[in-house]
Amino acid sequence: AQSVTQPDIHITVSEGASLELRCNYSYGATPYLFWYVQSPGQGLQLLLKYFSGDTLVQGIKGFEAEFKRSQSSFNLRKPSVHWSDAAEYVCAVSRGYSTLTFGKGTMLLVSP
Amino acid sequence: NAGVTQTPKFQVLKTGQSMTLQCAQDMNHNSMYWYRQDPGMGLRLIYYSASEGTTDKGEVPNGYNVSRLNKREFSLRLESAAPSQTSVYFCASSGNRVPEAFFGQGTRLTVV
Repeated sequence: AQSVTQPDIHITVSEGASLELRCNYSYGATPYLFWYVQSPGQGLQLLLKYFSGDTLVQGIKGFEAEFKRSQSSFNLRKPSVHWSDAAEYVCAVSRGYSTLTFGKGTMLLVSP
Repeated sequence: NAGVTQTPKFQVLKTGQSMTLQCAQDMNHNSMYWYRQDPGMGLRLIYYSASEGTTDKGEVPNGYNVSRLNKREFSLRLESAAPSQTSVYFCASSGNRVPEAFFGQGTRLTVV
């Protein structure tokens, strides 16, 4: 069965600093990979996705993620964090068109 | 452009009461899902429907039933609510050729 690990439950970053959120997956072949963002009291919004091709993918709100097959990772990055980026970030994986498996999420706190 | 609409947004039930959570999507998606989100557990799949007329159990189906009323609507029923079903419930949908899921705003359910 596929699984997703987000090792960091909480991360605090200073406004203007760079950000990297980690995501590791367990699956035999290359899965489809996703990052979602969830603001308090809201549903999940898709930030970016990877299906195939270029391993560096760009998403909305200035986020990017890099797929590294050798490390089974799909880490999310942003060069300069804004206070409005404070939210929960959830990594997900699917095998083809099957259902998504989600990580437990990383809560991002942004300090002034 | 509504996307996925869930009702109600909030609900308090007494133990043993029943209720139905409603979900509708206007994106002509074939697949629909119900998830629950609990602190420290991430999103867990309750039931899903790959197409109109079909439903399948997910990871945590006990205590729930679903109905795919038509292509647009997918409801989740709690026949006899228990405190363990206190959670935030999300409905989602996805299209034929892409596994990315689009989420509703969620229903916060408290069972006392």
